[in-house]
Amino acid sequence: DTGVSQDPRHKITKRGQNVTFRCDPISEHNRLYWYRQTLGQGPEFLTYFQNEAQLEKSRLLSDRFSAERPKGSFSTLEIQRTEQGDSAMYLCASSLEGRPNQPQHFGDGTRLSIL
Amino acid sequence: DAKTTQPNSMESNEEEPVHLPCNHSTISGTDYIHWYRQLPSQGPEYVIHGLTSNVNNRMASLAIAEDRKSSTLILHRATLRDAAVYYCILSYNYGGSQGNLIFGKGTKLSVKP
Repeated sequence: DTGVSQDPRHKITKRGQNVTFRCDPISEHNRLYWYRQTLGQGPEFLTYFQNEAQLEKSRLLSDRFSAERPKGSFSTLEIQRTEQGDSAMYLCASSLEGRPNQPQHFGDGTRLSIL
Repeated sequence: DAKTTQPNSMESNEEEPVHLPCNHSTISGTDYIHWYRQLPSQGPEYVIHGLTSNVNNRMASLAIAEDRKSSTLILHRATLRDAAVYYCILSYNYGGSQGNLIFGKGTKLSVKP
């Protein structure tokens, strides 16, 4: 169990640029989640995948955001035309379906700063 | 989504027990009670969960009120490493996993040496 890894750990970009983050879940986990966390707040759910299918998207996920999990393994989260309000920590989590109440395992996140 | 209420912050002394309360008066019969914690600069970490009965694991104990409208996370001997934000979350057993977690602001626990 190597844990959930996220890349990059930090990203600084200018407003209006596009950014892409990557998440590698725990290898046998078929569920993958994206959350966003701003300073002083708890994480907020964005979207989740079961294998390669994106099953739910939050209202927070505007049309500038897109997430993929093409082969049911790693996932990417892209933000187009970034805005100041996109500055946050983006967290990825994975879990195993099929056994009751499997916990979510989180990565340490990608911190995005918009200049 | 069922809501939880936690104190904003709590303090503890090292090596003493800590009782972190959570109120969830609108909990439904199918909601599980989960606790996660988040250390500084890290992602959240699962601590424990339960439905009706009290639960123990290597990290903590979870005491659930008989009416399930409140619960308490118990750290038996706080260490400096336990200083974190603790989140109490309700979710149902969603297809075998916990479903989307709805985090509040949690309780920031400070541990004094």
